[in-house]
Amino acid sequence: EAQVTQNPRYLITVTGKKLTVTCSQNMNHEYMSWYRQDPGLGLRQIYYSMNVEVTDKGDVPEGYKVSRKEKRNFPLILESPSPNQTSLYFCASSYRLDGEQYFGPGTRLTVT
Amino acid sequence: QKEVEQNSGPLSVPEGAIASLNCTYSDRGSQSFFWYRQYSGKSPELIMFIYSNGDKEDGRFTAQLNKASQYVSLLIRDSQPSDSATYLCAVDNQGGKLIFGQGTELSVKP
Repeated sequence: EAQVTQNPRYLITVTGKKLTVTCSQNMNHEYMSWYRQDPGLGLRQIYYSMNVEVTDKGDVPEGYKVSRKEKRNFPLILESPSPNQTSLYFCASSYRLDGEQYFGPGTRLTVT
Repeated sequence: QKEVEQNSGPLSVPEGAIASLNCTYSDRGSQSFFWYRQYSGKSPELIMFIYSNGDKEDGRFTAQLNKASQYVSLLIRDSQPSDSATYLCAVDNQGGKLIFGQGTELSVKP
């Protein structure tokens, strides 16, 4: 089954404790993206990747890091999480950056 | 002006009615337009995409695109309570990325 997986699905953590959210896709897509979704603000792109070892900032990259060492994986790293990063996070993959996005199930992160 | 704008709603329609969801965009060069449905706490799922001016129909859903006026709409005929969700409009921009609107919440009342 073609899918994008994310882990964990739910995470509660404390300010400053480094965390990683994993993302994996099995569709051989070149492009992968991370979005965050907040009430009233819609989906905002954090980072995206065009291929292995090629990443770029989206609209809200501050406080986040990503890496793309393998085509199928695109982890999101929060080195020092803060409460304003409490959000719903989605990983997505696609054939084109401006094409149909295939979304993972989402990760609800709470930073206290 | 936001790149992609939608009324946040909620839009409330009775069961069986036509729901009309609208989206305007600012980039005249946009070529690709998508409508996603998102149930509460779930991930967005693609309903329709449209690239050319005019209407595109798929079952109870019709997407309408008017590039001259820079708007795209989604009509849902014979609305069902199961259609109650947030509908996201997404448009490509000159930067080659997909920009999402903030979404319109639709509520279909039995």
